[in-house]
Amino acid sequence: DAGVTQSPTHLIKTRGQQVTLRCSPKSGHDTVSWYQQALGQGPQFIFQYYEEEERQRGNFPDRFSGHQYPNYSSELNVNALLLGDSALYLCASSLRGREKLFFGSGTQLSVL
Amino acid sequence: AQSVTQPDIHITVSEGASLELRCNYSYGATPYLFWYVQSPGQGLQLLLKYFSGDTLVQGIKGFEAEFKRSQSSFNLRKPSVHWSDAAEYFCAVDRREYGNKLVFGAGTILRVKS
Repeated sequence: DAGVTQSPTHLIKTRGQQVTLRCSPKSGHDTVSWYQQALGQGPQFIFQYYEEEERQRGNFPDRFSGHQYPNYSSELNVNALLLGDSALYLCASSLRGREKLFFGSGTQLSVL
Repeated sequence: AQSVTQPDIHITVSEGASLELRCNYSYGATPYLFWYVQSPGQGLQLLLKYFSGDTLVQGIKGFEAEFKRSQSSFNLRKPSVHWSDAAEYFCAVDRREYGNKLVFGAGTILRVKS
């Protein structure tokens, strides 16, 4: 049983570019959440998707957007990249109503 | 707003010694409480969680945590540390009405010396 998988594992972009990160949830899970973990900090909640809709959102600008597909996989899009967007982006999946998250290994994004 | 404080950025313990990692939260009501562990290059793994009931909760890998309402604390303990426990540990809270919208502390890096 595969856990949460994220791609790519590493990514290097330039300021102003756009990036798409992908996440496949654990088998049987229907809810996907995204977190940003800057160096030396704890993860920060970006948003959560369920039934292909954004259900909750953290304190992130509109440059951060997402999508969830019918197979429950999800994408995180970041437009107009800033140096400060450099971080580890973690995807977590869960079953709606259950308080247990399973995290992927993350995508390390570097913005130069 | 909710906040989670982990006062110790780094902790070094000898292998076989006991461990306590501190966590304090700021929130009006009792939230759900969690401890996660992160090894380098890895995602987060849930060690244990508190929702209600017995304030001493047992987790995986021999870890336990005690919820103290009066102190708004949820400290993580292990009686005997192994070298493989070296990692970063995160305390997190979740408001009961939100559901999996975790607020994490800044983490404590555990080093184990032989």
